[in-house]
Amino acid sequence: DAMVIQNPRYQVTQFGKPVTLSCSQTLNHNVMYWYQQKSSQAPKLLFHYYDKDFNNEADTPDNFQSRRPNTSFCFLDIRSPGLGDAAMYLCATSSDGFAFFGQGTRLTVV
Amino acid sequence: KQEVTQIPAALSVPEGENLVLNCSFTDSAIYNLQWFRQDPGKGLTSLLLIQSSQREQTSGRLNASLDKSSGRSTLYIAASQPGDSATYLCAALGMRDDKIIFGKGTRLHILP
Repeated sequence: DAMVIQNPRYQVTQFGKPVTLSCSQTLNHNVMYWYQQKSSQAPKLLFHYYDKDFNNEADTPDNFQSRRPNTSFCFLDIRSPGLGDAAMYLCATSSDGFAFFGQGTRLTVV
Repeated sequence: KQEVTQIPAALSVPEGENLVLNCSFTDSAIYNLQWFRQDPGKGLTSLLLIQSSQREQTSGRLNASLDKSSGRSTLYIAASQPGDSATYLCAALGMRDDKIIFGKGTRLHILP
């Protein structure tokens, strides 16, 4: 059974139109992460939560925001997607030294 | 700040060969080191996770080792097959900041 679930798997959005990607977990892990992975590149950490404490990476653009309303859910909001934001977005969780990744959401910007 | 490096960046070998992929990390304060496989356009598939207290993990033809003191991990693939062709990524989960930091990956091509 999938433990970190990302929806949708594929998302097409228009240039400049806000879009939200979602992630849920059944593991009750206290840390959740969002990564951006562009073609042929390593996943890049955008931000992570330790419980409700939000940790933003210094080079994450302001266009990217996140919400974690409870332990199980975490959202990635892209306020005004540009063509350069087309990528795979990966959600992950960790606790007690174990880490799990979702299957990712592939975002296309048209 | 943790940095993870993978060598080589790309590798092509004939089918049947045994091979080793290398991963190094600068900060040894890690919870674990994880190896992933990624096929083109797909998400990550976890292969092996080695906790910081462990030295190695095995799954089928795969064996991963961890030497925290030297900041190194290796992924050994025995009797390689064309289906093993993919990008292999290693990632370290840091104790100081709970961040999972990835290497840039090794693109592996197994020649039939």
